Amino acid sequence: NAGVTQTPKFQVLKTGQSMTLQCAQDMNHNSMYWYRQDPGMGLRLIYYSASEGTTDKGEVPNGYNVSRLNKREFSLRLESAAPSQTSVYFCASRVEIAKNIQYFGAGTRLSVL
Amino acid sequence: GENVEQHPSTLSVQEGDSAVIKCTYSDSASNYFPWYKQELGKGPQLIIDIRSNVGEKKDQRIAVTLNKTAKHFSLHITETQPEDSAVYFCAASIWNNDMRFGAGTRLTVKP
Repeated sequence: NAGVTQTPKFQVLKTGQSMTLQCAQDMNHNSMYWYRQDPGMGLRLIYYSASEGTTDKGEVPNGYNVSRLNKREFSLRLESAAPSQTSVYFCASRVEIAKNIQYFGAGTRLSVL
Repeated sequence: GENVEQHPSTLSVQEGDSAVIKCTYSDSASNYFPWYKQELGKGPQLIIDIRSNVGEKKDQRIAVTLNKTAKHFSLHITETQPEDSAVYFCAASIWNNDMRFGAGTRLTVKP
């Protein structure tokens, strides 16, 4: 049981380049999330998907797009990367029944030069 | 929306001492308060949580207390060990809605 798997683990982009961060979970969770983590700011929600086929903006959605490809996969796309998007990105999925526990992946460290 | 403040940002203790991390929240409707531990190079992992109908919860060396009136909650770690060294995050949410996280506390336990 792998839990939440994120790829890639590290990525360096030049300003203006695009890329997609991949996330997959094997726990049959309905809800999935994308966060960014910056020093001194904790985890901030970018987008979330409460179920397959639905996505909603979180606290900091500007500059990002998401796709809930199926129940397992939730991808985050940077169309035109900016240095302000240098961060560590975490994907999470959530148990809904009786618990609000979120399970996190190991993260993607992204640098935009 | 919800705003969560966490203090201190860094905490250093001697092995065997206790550590306390405090958080305050702004939305009185929040009713779920988890604590996550993040080790170096890994994603956050839930270590303990508490719901608003409970004032205190313990799990071995870890305890969480909640004061709904004052809108603050705390994490207590007793008999700290070097493996407790990590970044700890508090969070608050209205049940089944999205969580807001504190900025994190870097705990260092010195042997």
